[in-house]
Amino acid sequence: GAVVSQHPSWVICKSGTSVKIECRSLDFQATTMFWYRQFPKQSLMLMATSNEGSKATYEQGVEKDKFLINHASLTLSTLTVTSAHPEDSSFYICSARDMGPRVEQYFGPGTRLTVT
Amino acid sequence: AQTVTQSQPEMSVQEAETVTLSCTYDTSESDYYLFWYKQPPSRQMILVIRQEAYKQQNATENRFSVNFQKAAKSFSLKISDSQLGDAAMYFCAYRTGKAAGNKLTFGGGTRVLVKP
Repeated sequence: GAVVSQHPSWVICKSGTSVKIECRSLDFQATTMFWYRQFPKQSLMLMATSNEGSKATYEQGVEKDKFLINHASLTLSTLTVTSAHPEDSSFYICSARDMGPRVEQYFGPGTRLTVT
Repeated sequence: AQTVTQSQPEMSVQEAETVTLSCTYDTSESDYYLFWYKQPPSRQMILVIRQEAYKQQNATENRFSVNFQKAAKSFSLKISDSQLGDAAMYFCAYRTGKAAGNKLTFGGGTRVLVKP
């Protein structure tokens, strides 16, 4: 149980275009989902926290208008990178926390974004 | 704000031997959770072990155990009988115990190399 999927697993897009990444909790309902960014050989950096039905909370320094997050249902959150630039190329990971008392976050397999 | 520090960028261990990874954290809270996550080359984050701050007993999961020193704010991970499959990045993480708290704060990571 507690499986989180991400789609796509990798994507290449041209500079100036937008790309959407989906994060789904497959066998549980996720009240809260998290989006992380990971550069090569570095740790995970939290970008934002999203709660179902409400606006996402962004970490300091993360551009809200560039990284649009939508958590429309208890099983789906999306991250849209708008007007992508090469510096947005990175590995994006989502995680989800279920509605119960457990404190663990369950991580998706990640999405590698390359902007050319 | 809480910070998590992993002072060892890389550790090498012989197969079947034991390796200990260090983690220190800074917090003014008394109620919190600590985690060790493993990130193999696939980059899928895997929960290795969890420790509740209110528990004095050190957590153990098969070959993985922790040494939790609350007063010293230290949370080390011991991998016993190391296997080739243990080769990965290991991240220490902190989460507040507050009901509304969800965020994980990660350390910089330690790469574990296992020599056959």
